[in-house]
Amino acid sequence: DAGVTQSPTHLIKTRGQHVTLRCSPISGHKSVSWYQQVLGQGPQFIFQYYEKEERGRGNFPDRFSARQFPNYSSELNVNALLLGDSALYLCASSSAPDRSHEQYFGPGTRLTVT
Amino acid sequence: AQKVTQAQTEISVVEKEDVTLDCVYETRDTTYYLFWYKQPPSGELVFLIRRNSFDEQNEISGRYSWNFQKSTSSFNFTITASQVVDSAVYFCALTMGSQGNLIFGKGTKLSVKP
Repeated sequence: DAGVTQSPTHLIKTRGQHVTLRCSPISGHKSVSWYQQVLGQGPQFIFQYYEKEERGRGNFPDRFSARQFPNYSSELNVNALLLGDSALYLCASSSAPDRSHEQYFGPGTRLTVT
Repeated sequence: AQKVTQAQTEISVVEKEDVTLDCVYETRDTTYYLFWYKQPPSGELVFLIRRNSFDEQNEISGRYSWNFQKSTSSFNFTITASQVVDSAVYFCALTMGSQGNLIFGKGTKLSVKP
């Protein structure tokens, strides 16, 4: 079975632009979470979705938004990009959203904002 | 407050040496889960182990072993007879509240030299 997939792999954007990142979870997994990993730091939680509903949100500005589709894939949108948004964006899927289930991560999308 | 501390930023060892990666956590929850993930240069986080707060039994998986001690809020990871392929950044993580959001430490970069 395929693991978590993310697209695109790399992306270069200019300050002020908008970006959409995509994630497909492991087959059968209904929960998707997004994390931002700045260089040299651990990943930071952005959003969690389960059954198309937002279940959790981290400490990120409203420029960040996400949604989950009926097939459980997900999009992360970032508006008005800042230089500080440059990071590796990781998507993780799990069979359920609660803390007992391990999350499996995709390869990430590396976003560079110039 | 929920927090994970990995005090060792970088560790360098020679192949076949044993190495221990330290992890100290803080949480007010009585039920929580701890995780270790490996991040090779490719960027994808690889799940290694999950441990719940009620199970203090140490675990061994091949060359990997984990020591969980609630009395010191530590969940340390030991690699026995390290190999070059073990070179990666290792993250310790804690789940927050009733949901599955992961709080990561800053990671420990392990370099194993031949």
